[in-house]
Amino acid sequence: KAGVTQTPRYLIKTRGQQVTLSCSPISGHRSVSWYQQTPGQGLQFLFEYFSETQRNKGNFPGRFSGRQFSNSRSEMNVSTLELGDSALYLCASSRDRGTEAFFGQGTRLTVV
Amino acid sequence: AQKITQTQPGMFVQEKEAVTLDCTYDTSDPSYGLFWYKQPSSGEMIFLIYQGSYDQQNATEGRYSLNFQKARKSANLVISASQLGDSAMYFCAMREEPFTGGGNKLTFGTGTQLKVEL
Repeated sequence: KAGVTQTPRYLIKTRGQQVTLSCSPISGHRSVSWYQQTPGQGLQFLFEYFSETQRNKGNFPGRFSGRQFSNSRSEMNVSTLELGDSALYLCASSRDRGTEAFFGQGTRLTVV
Repeated sequence: AQKITQTQPGMFVQEKEAVTLDCTYDTSDPSYGLFWYKQPSSGEMIFLIYQGSYDQQNATEGRYSLNFQKARKSANLVISASQLGDSAMYFCAMREEPFTGGGNKLTFGTGTQLKVEL
């Protein structure tokens, strides 16, 4: 059974650019959540998509957006990158209210 | 608002000994789920164990068990027979599960760095 796949694994971008990260959940999982992890703020919830609809949203500026496709794959986009956006971005895949929530290996974004 | 507290920033344990990682939580929702994850230096978050708030028994998964004390709002992770490969950061997380709505949002604690020594 394939796990959660995040691409790319590493990314270096310049301030002001935009970036798109991808997450393919486990087959059968319709919920995809995104998290940002930084040394200073820890793990923070960005948003959750379920059946192509955003169901929950964290306290992040509008520069952070996402979407989910009919095959449950999800993308998140960050526009006008800032140095503070440098982080490990993790996505989690689960069934609705499942007893397991599996994470991908993450995308490490560095903004220079 | 939901909150997870992990008061041990770092822990040391000798190989083959058991170790308990503390987690307390705060929520006003009567229904919730508690998760533990392991994060090695590679960054991947590895799911370890889940406990539902209405589960009568403590969850166990191999060498991992969750000591769930609902009245005290604590969900400590017990790792038995520690191995060198257990050295990692460990996170406790909670998902509120209201009767309607809710979703799968997890709120994480700040983590405990566990170091297993020979």
